[in-house]
This record gives sequence, structure tokens and C-alpha cells, in this order.
Amino acid sequence: EDKVVQSPLSLVVHEGDTVTLNCSYEVTNFRSLLWYKQEKKAPTFLFMLTSSGIEKKSGRLSSILDKKELFSILNITATQTGDSAVYLCAGPNFGNEKLTFGTGTRLTIIP
Amino acid sequence: DVKVTQSSRYLVKRTGEKVFLECVQDMDHENMFWYRQDPGLGLRLIYFSYDVKMKEKGDIPEGYSVSREKKERFSLILESASTNQTSMYLCASSFLDRGQNIQYFGAGTRLSVL
Repeated sequence: EDKVVQSPLSLVVHEGDTVTLNCSYEVTNFRSLLWYKQEKKAPTFLFMLTSSGIEKKSGRLSSILDKKELFSILNITATQTGDSAVYLCAGPNFGNEKLTFGTGTRLTIIP
Repeated sequence: DVKVTQSSRYLVKRTGEKVFLECVQDMDHENMFWYRQDPGLGLRLIYFSYDVKMKEKGDIPEGYSVSREKKERFSLILESASTNQTSMYLCASSFLDRGQNIQYFGAGTRLSVL
């Protein structure tokens, strides 16, 4: 059975700090790993990672994948209150029809 | 921009009622999904559909059914709502692009069953 585990479950930091969120996965026939941000409503897509060691970057957010260790991290630098959200990690199943999600990391940024 | 629209943001129903949750997407996506999201349990897949009139059970289909009569619309049905179905329900759609399957989500329906 596919499994995606995120840590920590929650994190509280001050504005301006840098944070690292973790995602480990066990999925058969790995294709990709996805990161989403969920504020009060719909999860919104952040990154899709398919290759080991290649960093994806969008502004202050970046993510990288280690296919050997079955691990991904999401980094946020110079955090702002608008970064407060639940961050979700997900991997497709063998047939690539559906995603298995982790339980998410709840990030709270204190002004 | 992809738009996935769920008909209600909040719903309050009574135990035993039949409940319909509607989802519409405007990007001609083949695949549509229904999840529920509960604290500590994350997103759990209820049903998905990869084509009109096709449906597949997800991880927790018990107590639910679905309908997909048109490509853009995917409905989740609670035949007889129970209190343990109080949850946030999220709809998503996706298509396969170069082998990659990115899902786009609606805003969610928070259902309370009393």
C-alpha cells in the first residue's frame, strides 16, 4: 500500500525565519511527488518533482527530491504571515490514476 | 486558469437525509475525484471517475455513491447521512499531461450532519 508521511505535524515560527518541511514516501513505481498549499479552502498546487537532486523554485519556496532515500523537502525562506497554511505532499499510485496524500504539516507564522 | 466549483461552501443536514454534493470543472478534464478531509487523517479518497458514467471506489467508499452523467460534473451522494459523515468534502479534477497527473481542487464543502 502506498504511503506518504509528513513531518512535523505542526510548526510555529516567527516571521522572517526559514522553515523546512519533510515528506517521505513509499509508492510503487514512482512517477512524481507533488506539493500543495492549503489555506482556508482549496489546496493549491505548488510543485511537481520527478527527478532527484533538481531543485524547483518559486519565489521564497523551493523543493527538492531524493529518489534514493524516498524523501522530499519543502523550504520556505524569510517566512511571512501569508505562508501560514497546511502544506500537503502527495504521490501518484501505480496506475497514475489517483494520489495518496500525507496528513500535512500545519505551518503558523507569528508576526 | 482551471476552475473547479463546488455548489455549496457550507451545508447542515439531519441524520437520515439524502445529501447531494455537486462539483463542476471547466477544463474538460477526464478525471474527477471526491475526498473527505478530517483533522489528523488528511485527505482520503472516496470515489473517482476517469470518464463519463465510469466510477471507481477509492479508499473509503462506504456510505457514499457518485454520479457522472456529463464530463464536467461529478456528484457525491450520501444516501442516508450519518453524524460520522460530518467532514470537509473536496472535489478535484485532473488530466494526464506527459504522464503527469496534477489535481486541481475546488474550495470544499463543509458538511455538518446533526
